[in-house]
Amino acid sequence: AQKVTQAQTEISVVEKEDVTLDCVYETRDTTYYLFWYKQPPSGELVFLIRRNSFDEQNEISGRYSWNFQKSTSSFNFTITASQVVDSAVYFCALSVGGSQGNLIFGKGTKLSVKP
Amino acid sequence: DGGITQSPKYLFRKEGQNVTLSCEQNLNHDAMYWYRQDPGQGLRLIYYSQIVNDFQKGDIAEGYSVSREKKESFPLTVTSAQKNPTAFYLCASSIGWIDTEAFFGQGTRLTVV
Repeated sequence: AQKVTQAQTEISVVEKEDVTLDCVYETRDTTYYLFWYKQPPSGELVFLIRRNSFDEQNEISGRYSWNFQKSTSSFNFTITASQVVDSAVYFCALSVGGSQGNLIFGKGTKLSVKP
Repeated sequence: DGGITQSPKYLFRKEGQNVTLSCEQNLNHDAMYWYRQDPGQGLRLIYYSQIVNDFQKGDIAEGYSVSREKKESFPLTVTSAQKNPTAFYLCASSIGWIDTEAFFGQGTRLTVV
C-alpha cells in the first residue's frame, strides 16, 4: 500500500530559525514521484518541488532545501532562516505509476513562524 | 491569466439538498481532480479525470458525482447521499498524469446545516 507520513502535526519557531519538516513514504513501486506543497491561509495549494525516484540529488532553492534518501524512504524539507511569510501548512505527497495515478498526501505539518 | 477557478468560495446548503461545485481551468490540462480536506487531515481524492468524457472514482467517491463534458470544466456534485459533506473542497489539474505537478484552485468551503 502507498502511504505518506508527516509525523509533525505542528511546529512553532521564531523568525530566523532553521526548521526541518519530515516526510516518510511507503511504496513498493520502483518508479514514483515525490512532491511538496505549501497551503497558506488562503487555502490553495502551491507547488514547491517534484522529485522522481531515480534522482536522489538534494536540491536547494533559495532558503528552501530538500533531502531525498531512498534508504530511509524520506523526503525532508528544510527552511533556512525562516520568515513569518513561511507560516503555512506544508504537505508532502507521493505519486506512483499504474492505475492509481493520483497524489497521496500526508496529513500536513502546520508551521508557525513568530516574529 | 491562466489558472484554475473554483466557485463559489463559500457555500451553505441545507441537509438533504444536492449542491454542485464549479471548477474551470484555462491551462489546457488533460487531467483534473477533486480532493476533499477535513481539519487536520491531508487531502483525499474524490474523483479524477484523465481526459474528456472519462472519469474514475478516487478513494472517497461515495455520495459524490462528476462530469467531464469539456476539457476545461470538471464540476462536482455533492449529493444528499454524502453523509458528512461539510468540508473544504479543492480542484486541481495537471498537464500530465503521474509525473507532473498539479495546480490547485483556491477551494470551496461547503457547510451543510
